[in-house]
Amino acid sequence: EAQVTQNPRYLITVTGKKLTVTCSQNMNHEYMSWYRQDPGLGLRQIYYSMNVEVTDKGDVPEGYKVSRKEKRNFPLILESPSPNQTSLYFCASSPLGGGSYEQYFGPGTRLTVT
Amino acid sequence: LAKTTQPISMDSYEGQEVNITCSHNNIATNDYITWYQQFPSQGPRFIIQGYKTKVTNEVASLFIPADRKSSTLSLPRVSLSDTAVYYCLVAFNQAGTALIFGKGTTLSVSS
Repeated sequence: EAQVTQNPRYLITVTGKKLTVTCSQNMNHEYMSWYRQDPGLGLRQIYYSMNVEVTDKGDVPEGYKVSRKEKRNFPLILESPSPNQTSLYFCASSPLGGGSYEQYFGPGTRLTVT
Repeated sequence: LAKTTQPISMDSYEGQEVNITCSHNNIATNDYITWYQQFPSQGPRFIIQGYKTKVTNEVASLFIPADRKSSTLSLPRVSLSDTAVYYCLVAFNQAGTALIFGKGTTLSVSS
């Protein structure tokens, strides 16, 4: 089954404790992206990647890091989480090219930073 | 920087046609305008995309004027299961790789 998986689905952590949220897709998509979703603000892009070893900042990259060492994986790293990073996070992937944005989204990771 | 504007909410009744408009300025000239649907506790799901004029698929139509400064998602004969949040999506860099969602329109369908 074609899908995007994220782990963990739920995470409660404390300020300053480094964490990684994993994202993996099995569709051989070039483009992958991370979003955060907050009430009243909709979905905002954090980082995106056009292919292996190619990453770039989205709309709200501060406090986050990403890496793309393999085509299928795109982990999101919070090196020193803060309470304002409490949010619902989505990973997405899509084939690249032709100006199309038909993205496939993962199920989401709900992060709480206390 | 591109900016998108959508109505916050809309109400409808079963069987009616619903039109949701998104205004977007400074979008990439060569890329599609895309719409997504999201149910609670799920990731967004692709509905439809288009570049200009009109596109129709089995669930919706998308109308895009020649200036591409707005787009209208049309849902024919909505049902209770169409109650969801609807987002438009555009690119805000000319490479078409950095994306921005609208803040979403919550559609409530009643019987």
